[in-house]
Amino acid sequence: EAGVTQFPSHSVIEKGQTVTLRCDPISGHDNLYWYRRVMGKEIKFLLHFVKESKQDESGMPNNRFLAERTGGTYSTLKVQPAELEDSGVYFCASSSLGTLSSYEQYFGPGTRLTVT
Amino acid sequence: GENVEQHPSTLSVQEGDSAVIKCTYSDSASNYFPWYKQELGKRPQLIIDIRSNVGEKKDQRIAVTLNKTAKHFSLHITETQPEDSAVYFCAAKSTGNQFYFGTGTSLTVIP
Repeated sequence: EAGVTQFPSHSVIEKGQTVTLRCDPISGHDNLYWYRRVMGKEIKFLLHFVKESKQDESGMPNNRFLAERTGGTYSTLKVQPAELEDSGVYFCASSSLGTLSSYEQYFGPGTRLTVT
Repeated sequence: GENVEQHPSTLSVQEGDSAVIKCTYSDSASNYFPWYKQELGKRPQLIIDIRSNVGEKKDQRIAVTLNKTAKHFSLHITETQPEDSAVYFCAAKSTGNQFYFGTGTSLTVIP
């Protein structure tokens, strides 16, 4: 079974540019989460999809961030325009929809975003 | 919302010794507490978890304890090996299915 994949693995952009991150969850996983880790800090929750619906987007920093999950499969996270403080590692995680099994999250390898 | 604090931020132990990482949480309604291990250049991976109706769980050299009254939980690694070197994250799941993570502990096991 393929794990969670993310693309690109690294991205270096200038302030003011746009970047789109992609996450492909494990097939059949309806829960999809986006997180961000800034060096030395916690893995911070950004938002949670259940299938194609945004269940909770309370962690999104501001309206420069837009996440989509059309069709309930892969998800994209767009940052437009990027600012210096957006730098960090963006993780995606997925889990199955259910009771006990839905607690366990599987993480992707992350996308390291550097805004210069 | 939930607030998870994790200590220490760095930990060095001699091979064969035990390592303990501690986390506290603020929301008494949180009901699931996973621990993730992130090796250098790799993704975080779940190594052990505990639910709020259990006080302790063990899996070979790894154990987790939960004190709901004090709102803290700990990861215990016994007989540490160099391959245990990694960053460890604790997390707490709120009733809203949102996960709150600690800041991570960088564990180094010295051969």
